[in-house]
Amino acid sequence: DGGITQSPKYLFRKEGQNVTLSCEQNLNHDAMYWYRQDPGQGLRLIYYSQIVNDFQKGDIAEGYSVSREKKESFPLTVTSAQKNPTAFYLCASSNQGLTGNTIYFGEGSWLTVV
Amino acid sequence: GENVEQHPSTLSVQEGDSAVIKCTYSDSASNYFPWYKQELGKGPQLIIDIRSNVGEKKDQRIAVTLNKTAKHFSLHITETQPEDSAVYFCAAVDSSYKLIFGSGTRLLVRP
Repeated sequence: DGGITQSPKYLFRKEGQNVTLSCEQNLNHDAMYWYRQDPGQGLRLIYYSQIVNDFQKGDIAEGYSVSREKKESFPLTVTSAQKNPTAFYLCASSNQGLTGNTIYFGEGSWLTVV
Repeated sequence: GENVEQHPSTLSVQEGDSAVIKCTYSDSASNYFPWYKQELGKGPQLIIDIRSNVGEKKDQRIAVTLNKTAKHFSLHITETQPEDSAVYFCAAVDSSYKLIFGSGTRLLVRP
C-alpha cells in the first residue's frame, strides 16, 4: 500500500528524555512536514523539508529537531528542551513542496510525558 | 503572515440536512484552499480542495465555494449522514508557501 507510516502510534516519555518519532513515505514525495495537534486544537507546523538534506523551522520548532537524510524518511526528535511535549504528532508529505500542492497525512503518533 | 479563521467551532445538524462551514483568510496572494476531515485519533484526510482560478467545486455531496474578493471560502455538505460526524479543517497557503490551518469545526450529525 502506498502512504505515510508513522511509528510508534503511542509513546510515553519520562521527563528529561529525548524521543524520536518515525515517519516514512513511499509516495515518492519531495516535501515532508511535521505538525503538532493539541486536544481540540488546530494543526501547528513544527518543521518542514522540501528536499533531501534540507529543512526549515516552522512556527513552533523550539525543543524539536529533524533530519532528512533520505527522501522517504523524516524523523522528528522531541528533546528535553520541549517543555510541554504531550500532544498528537502528525507527519505529512506532498509531491512538489509548499507551492499549493496536496498535502497527505499519516495516522499520527500520540506522545505522553509521564 | 496568513491567518485563517473558521466558524462555527461546533455544528449539530439532523441527518439529511445540510451543513455549512465557513473560513476567512487574510493573505490575498493565497491561491490554494484544501479541506480536511479528521476522525478521532486519526490523521486528517483531504476531502476536497479549490484553487483560486475557480469559484466552486463539487464532489458528490460535498462542495466548496471561494470568494476571492471577500477572502472567504466555505464547505457545503448536503444530505448529511452520521458518518459525516468528524472535525473539519480548512486551510490556506500563505505567501511563504506554508499551509495554515483553521481551528476546526466539530460536526455532529444526529440520526
